[in-house]
Amino acid sequence: AQKITQTQPGMFVQEKEAVTLDCTYDTSDPSYGLFWYKQPSSGEMIFLIYQGSYDQQNATEGRYSLNFQKARKSANLVISASQLGDSAMYFCAMREGRAGGTSYGKLTFGQGTILTVHP
Amino acid sequence: NAGVTQTPKFQVLKTGQSMTLQCAQDMNHNSMYWYRQDPGMGLRLIYYSASEGTTDKGEVPNGYNVSRLNKREFSLRLESAAPSQTSVYFCASTAPGRNTEAFFGQGTRLTVV
Repeated sequence: AQKITQTQPGMFVQEKEAVTLDCTYDTSDPSYGLFWYKQPSSGEMIFLIYQGSYDQQNATEGRYSLNFQKARKSANLVISASQLGDSAMYFCAMREGRAGGTSYGKLTFGQGTILTVHP
Repeated sequence: NAGVTQTPKFQVLKTGQSMTLQCAQDMNHNSMYWYRQDPGMGLRLIYYSASEGTTDKGEVPNGYNVSRLNKREFSLRLESAAPSQTSVYFCASTAPGRNTEAFFGQGTRLTVV
């Protein structure tokens, strides 16, 4: 079963506008972490933002924020004031498990969303 | 800082040949991973090692073997390469903790003809 689902294969946004990239996840573990990564055309993986399952507030990092809705099991990435350099593939990922468990640290990724920013 | 180093960056194999992808990290991380990335499939976990001396299968382990040689190094071996293993391979590592991000190597583009 797919643990991380990104339903938008591609998204388009106008420069300087905000965009939301969707991510839903599936887990029965109460302790988990959610991550977003960016992969530009050059291929490297760049960490953007993290949200823990016990965090009370939505995570923010500069122009990136995470809209965390625990009951819906969604962790959408919001990019404000899009820039041309934001054009890339974006991956949502989840780490389940707790310290000491054999599954701790296993990081599962979604299929990715290609974001294109138009000038 | 080197971070996570993968070798080689590119490789072409003939069907049936074997090869080992090397990965080393210098961040004293406990956990290491091997992923493959195919168009439309995202990153799929092949094998991971939660700590030195342990390895576990991921989502797509068939056709691969791994060795956690020491805390720094985690290698991925293709014993008999098949065209279906044509992909981009990424090694990653993480420090202990639920909230620690993964650091990735630059990737290996493997083509099996």
